Amino acid sequence: AQKITQTQPGMFVQEKEAVTLDCTYDTSDPSYGLFWYKQPSSGEMIFLIYQGSYDQQNATEGRYSLNFQKARKSANLVISASQLGDSAMYFCAMREDLIIQGAQKLVFGQGTRLTINP
Amino acid sequence: DVKVTQSSRYLVKRTGEKVFLECVQDMDHENMFWYRQDPGLGLRLIYFSYDVKMKEKGDIPEGYSVSREKKERFSLILESASTNQTSMYLCASRSGGINTIYFGEGSWLTVV
Repeated sequence: AQKITQTQPGMFVQEKEAVTLDCTYDTSDPSYGLFWYKQPSSGEMIFLIYQGSYDQQNATEGRYSLNFQKARKSANLVISASQLGDSAMYFCAMREDLIIQGAQKLVFGQGTRLTINP
Repeated sequence: DVKVTQSSRYLVKRTGEKVFLECVQDMDHENMFWYRQDPGLGLRLIYFSYDVKMKEKGDIPEGYSVSREKKERFSLILESASTNQTSMYLCASRSGGINTIYFGEGSWLTVV
């Protein structure tokens, strides 16, 4: 069963506009975490932002914020004032804690290719 | 800085060959992961490990096995490579108390 779903295969946005990348997840575990990663054409995976399931406030990191709606099981990434350098693949991921202490499973979504137009 | 090193960036192997992909991390992380990345499918989890000699199947384990004899090293093994295993393979590691996943640079495997 798909645990992480990114429904937007591709998005095109004008420079300086805000953009929202969608991510929904499925888990019955009360303790989990959600990540967003950026993968430019160079292939490296760049950490953007993290949200824990018990965090009271939505995570923010500079121009990145995570719109965490727990009841809807969504964790959308918002990029404010987009820049040309934001063009990349974006992946949402979920950490699940297993019964064995310290053991974790990490699953990723299909990704969204974001293109910023000048 | 945490470093996750994958032994080979680019490999070309023949159908039926046994293939080893090595991953080493230098920060004593408990959890290590192997993914394959294919266009339109994202990163799919093959196997993961949370301790030495402990391993768990991910979502697509068929055709693969893994080995973790030492904490810092997690190997992915293709017992008999097939053309549908042509892909980019990513290794990752994480410590339970840190909210970051560290990735290797990826290994591009072509099976001909």
